[in-house]
Amino acid sequence: QKEVEQDPGPLSVPEGAIVSLNCTYSNSAFQYFMWYRQYSRKGPELLMYTYSSGNKEDGRFTAQVDKSSKYISLFIRDSQPSDSATYLCAMKGNTPLVFGKGTRLSVIA
Amino acid sequence: DAGVIQSPRHEVTEMGQEVTLRCKPISGHNSLFWYRQTMMRGLELLIYFNNNVPIDDSGMPEDRFSAKMPNASFSTLKIQPSEPRDSAVYFCASSRGTSGRIGQETQYFGPGTRLLVL
Repeated sequence: QKEVEQDPGPLSVPEGAIVSLNCTYSNSAFQYFMWYRQYSRKGPELLMYTYSSGNKEDGRFTAQVDKSSKYISLFIRDSQPSDSATYLCAMKGNTPLVFGKGTRLSVIA
Repeated sequence: DAGVIQSPRHEVTEMGQEVTLRCKPISGHNSLFWYRQTMMRGLELLIYFNNNVPIDDSGMPEDRFSAKMPNASFSTLKIQPSEPRDSAVYFCASSRGTSGRIGQETQYFGPGTRLLVL
């Protein structure tokens, strides 16, 4: 079992939809959870990070962590065509970041 | 701030040739990471440095790969000899540290080098 599992998609939604992106993990030592966004032919950029279980909101984005289930989610409200990108979850404990493979999202106008 | 700078942006070479990828981290960042990204395997950490010292190179796939960081503002990743299976996008990233404080550990990625080995 890989340390971090992420459905690669692709996921296609209409503009304005609520998007849910998810990752599961197996290493209970992971404490920090991040979401990176990667546009085509660009490097990943940090979108959000959380430290503990619960929700963290930033504008249209909400990150959710459930440590008991080893499950993290990123919700995008009122999705826009500009949100079309690959979203990578990443997490760490005392080791460097471990990334999921990424989910490719397309938001159709 | 110019961000992480990588060169070249694209490299096409023939099997057996030596390839050198270069990275300039963000000024003041003490940690530098080299990643490889492919469709099949996603983003894989190859090696990372802290204060110019290699800390973990367990992700380096073979002895054909080597990395150096001679000073705080420059790093190279070398593949010799290159093989077609090395074709991928190679990213360099830097962070202020690996202290465990999440703000310092945020990694900033460069634009990547697209490598194609024929």
